[in-house]
Amino acid sequence: QVQLVQSGPEVKKPGASVKVSCKASGYTFTSHGITWVRQAPGQGLEWMGWISTYNGNTNYAQKLHDRVTLTTVTSTTTAYMELRSLRSDDTAVYYCARLSYGRNVFDYWGQGTLVTVSS
Amino acid sequence: DIVMTQFPDSLAVSLGERATITCKSSQSVLYNSNNKNCLGWYQQKPGQPPKLLIYWASARESGVPDRFSGSGSGTDFTLTINSLQAEDVAVYYCHQCSNSPWTFGQGTKVEIK
Repeated sequence: QVQLVQSGPEVKKPGASVKVSCKASGYTFTSHGITWVRQAPGQGLEWMGWISTYNGNTNYAQKLHDRVTLTTVTSTTTAYMELRSLRSDDTAVYYCARLSYGRNVFDYWGQGTLVTVSS
Repeated sequence: DIVMTQFPDSLAVSLGERATITCKSSQSVLYNSNNKNCLGWYQQKPGQPPKLLIYWASARESGVPDRFSGSGSGTDFTLTINSLQAEDVAVYYCHQCSNSPWTFGQGTKVEIK
């Protein structure tokens, strides 16, 4: 069955960087993109960007494009999200999700990774 | 950016009754490639990731109960939950995928009256 398993919670200081991993299994990794969505405590969903697992092309939300980098490693079927220059308002649960090509929807989700930014 | 606005922010419905959530986009969400409305609905229960319910505004995802239905086109969309069940208590989000950045509505919390 399709599974996306994310890395564990992180606590970071302002100005630091964080890298969250998302291990995919149960399907052909390069047949679907990976998107990242975050959710601040008690808030709604914010789309961050997506990456083609086929050729590495990326599309970032303008708000974050200068601080976020999405990458994948095909050999380990793992996607990564790195966020730099962390601020307190980056505190959120970060989700990876599989992007279903042809439908433009996120049909399988990881369990989420809580990133806390605090001095 | 396309702004997605949901109505209401929350609603309480009796078990077995109908819940209706509206989503309005600031511009058309028609997807150029296939002329379909690129609009999805997600359900999120506390402590869980979102779950896809509806795509292309009205297509039900595999395994989703048929009491969930989506409708609408252009800029106005509706998610209807017929015969609300206790397990439907959740926050529901609409999402447009026609133009980057893809954006979500603010969410509608559905509770039992």
